[in-house]
Order: sequence, then C-alpha cells, then structure tokens
Amino acid sequence: DQQVKQNSPSLSVQEGRISILNCDYTNSMFDYFLWYKKYPAEGPTFLISISSIKDKNEDGRFTVFLNKSAKHLSLHIVPSQPGDSAVYFCAALRSSNTGKLIFGQGTTLQVKP
Amino acid sequence: ETGVTQTPRHLVMGMTNKKSLKCEQHLGHNAMYWYKQSAKKPLELMFVYNFKEQTENNSVPSRFSPECPNSSHLFLHLHTLQPEDSALYLCASSQVGQNTEAFFGQGTRLTVV
Repeated sequence: DQQVKQNSPSLSVQEGRISILNCDYTNSMFDYFLWYKKYPAEGPTFLISISSIKDKNEDGRFTVFLNKSAKHLSLHIVPSQPGDSAVYFCAALRSSNTGKLIFGQGTTLQVKP
Repeated sequence: ETGVTQTPRHLVMGMTNKKSLKCEQHLGHNAMYWYKQSAKKPLELMFVYNFKEQTENNSVPSRFSPECPNSSHLFLHLHTLQPEDSALYLCASSQVGQNTEAFFGQGTRLTVV
C-alpha cells in the first residue's frame, strides 16, 4: 500500500512558464512534507518543506501548497528554468516516528528552452 | 567536504561475492538510513538507525546486513545477492526530534551479475 503517490510520471513545461507537480498521501498521521530534486546518478537534494500547521511555504521560485482535507500537496515552480529539469520526489514524515521519510514514485520534469 | 559521503560510487559484483557499502555523515545527525532506488519505483526505506540502534528493518532479505558502529558511520554488507538487487543504494542522515530534512549521499550504483 503506497502511502505517498505522485500520479504523473512526467511533466513537460516551456521555459518561463509555471510547473506544477502534484502529490497525494493517504496517512493522516503525516505532519511534515518535503520535496526533493534528483539528477541522474546523484542523491536527492532537499528543495522545500511544509509543516502540517501551514498551508503554504514559499522559497524564491518554489512554493509548496498543502491541502490537508484533500491530503494533497503541490509544488509550484515559477518561472521554470531548463536547469530545473530533474526528477522531483514528494516525501512525507511522521515527526514522532524515527524521522523516516516515505517517498512517492517521482515526477520527471522537463523544462524546454 | 560534503555532508553525507558514500563509497564506492559504482560497484559490480558477482552473486557469490561479499562486498560492503560505506556511508559517513559529517552533520552531527543522530539517525542514519539506507534507501534503495530501483528503476521506476519510489525510494524504498531499508533500514533506520537511531542513536546507533537499529529501529527499523523494512522486511529486507538477510543477504543485506547493516552495521552502524557509531552515529557517523553506516555500512551495508552484501552477500549472495541476486541480479534483481541491482539498484541505486542511498544513505541518508537526519536529526530526529526536529522537523528537518534528511540529507542524502550520492548513492552507490550496484550491479549484480
């Protein structure tokens, strides 16, 4: 049973436009959510996070939105740049549970020049 | 020096070999993790070590044997692996008890022949 799902395996966006990556979760005990970015042959790097007490967190071009009632979060990148092309993983955490992250399958973002 | 270092970066081993993956974190974190990433799958948590004690074994076959001699070092001992064990193995660390992200190493690309 996959607790964190990213239903879109890939997304293609034109440079300068908005990229929206989506993530759904099933476990209502999750209280912290993160987005990671991964290039080929490298480990994931942390991008942005949000606590369940908030519904939005913004960091430069990246904004994460959380809708707890829908158990849905999204990552907005605006404006998108070709260097943003990578695999994006959504992850969720129960902060009381040893800190282990549960990851989605990932969405491959391609930003075209 | 990077926060989480994994060696080797690439490993090819036969099914009868014994090898070890090494991970070292320089971040002062109190928890370390092994994740496995196979093609087209989400990152799968394998083991969690919290304050050097193994707190989770996610139904991993016994041919994978973790070792955590101290809070900065984590090993994954491999023996009699199968070709389907070929994957990217990622080590991560975090500070449990705080809502902070996990930091990942660059991974070891393992090929079992």
